[in-house]
Parts: sequence; C-alpha cells; structure tokens
Amino acid sequence: DQQVKQNSPSLSVQEGRISILNCDYTNSMFDYFLWYKKYPAEGPTFLISISSIKDKNEDGRFTVFLNKSAKHLSLHIVPSQPGDSAVYFCAASAGTSGSRLTFGEGTQLTVNP
Amino acid sequence: DGGITQSPKYLFRKEGQNVTLSCEQNLNHDAMYWYRQDPGQGLRLIYYSQIVNDFQKGDIAEGYSVSREKKESFPLTVTSAQKNPTAFYLCASTTSGNTIYFGEGSWLTVV
Repeated sequence: DQQVKQNSPSLSVQEGRISILNCDYTNSMFDYFLWYKKYPAEGPTFLISISSIKDKNEDGRFTVFLNKSAKHLSLHIVPSQPGDSAVYFCAASAGTSGSRLTFGEGTQLTVNP
Repeated sequence: DGGITQSPKYLFRKEGQNVTLSCEQNLNHDAMYWYRQDPGQGLRLIYYSQIVNDFQKGDIAEGYSVSREKKESFPLTVTSAQKNPTAFYLCASTTSGNTIYFGEGSWLTVV
C-alpha cells in the first residue's frame, strides 16, 4: 500500500520557468510533510517542510502548498535553475517527533538551460 | 564538522556472503534509520532505532540485521538471506524534530 505517491516520474522545464512537483497521500494521520532533493549517488538533502496546521510555507525560491482536504501537496520552484535538476522526494510522517517517514517514489526534475 | 558518515561507499558482495555497512553520526541524534533505494522507487525503510539498545523492523527488514550498542553507531548487516541486495543504502538520523538528515549512501552490488 503506497501511502505517499508521486505520480510523475519525471518533469522537464525551461530555466527561469516554474517547476511544480506534486505529491498525494492517503493516510489521514500524516501531519508533517517534507521535500528532499537528491543528486545521483548522494544522500537526500532536506529542502522544505510544512506542518498540517499551515497550507503554505515559503523559503526563497521554494514554496510548498498543502491541501489537506484533497490530501495533496505540491512544491513550487520559481525561477527554476539548471542546478535544481535532481530527484525530488516527498515524505510524510504522523504524530510524535522522530517518527518514521514514508517516502514517495520521487520525481526526476530536469531544468533545461 | 557534524554529520553522518557511511562506509564503504562502494561494496561488492559474493553470493552467500554477509556484509556490514557502517553508519556513524556525531550529531548527538537519538534516532537512526536505514533506507534502501532502488531505481524508480522511493526510499524504503529497513530498520530504525529510537534509542540505544533498541531497534524496530521497518517495511523491508527481511534479510537484514542491525545493532545499536552506541548512540553514534547503527551498522546494517546484509545477510545471505536477502535475495536481492543490490541497491543504494542510506543511513539517516534525527533528533526532536521530524527532519531527517542523511548520509552520503553506500552502493552494494552482488557479483
């Protein structure tokens, strides 16, 4: 049972345009969501997170939107840069701190110069 | 520098052998995790440990074993019972928040 799904395995955008990566979840107990970025042969690095008490969180070029009723979140990158090309993982957790994360399958973002 | 160190980065295993992947952290984090990544799949949890001398199975624990004798260390043994061990393995740790910090990963290939 895939509780966190990223339905697009890949996304290609032009430099300077907006990148929108989507993530859906099924577990209504999830209350904390994170995005990680991963380059080949490296560990994922934390990008941005959002708690279920918010519907938007912004950090520089990165904004995460959460729609709890639709169990959907999205990551917007504006403007996109070639260095943003990586695999992006959505992750979710429920309840207590330090609890286990459930990851989506990842979306390969390619930003073309 | 604080961080998570995994070793070796590349490891080749013969059929029937056990191999151990090392994970050390100097972040003073209580919880540590092992994930596996396969092409086109998300990170899947193998084992996790919330405190020293305690650990729990994750979603795909079969064929793996761990120990947590020290707070800083969480080694993963890939046993011969693991039928498809070739993958990228990631160790991670976290403290009071839910943000997890990852090591650089270890590539394991069966030859």
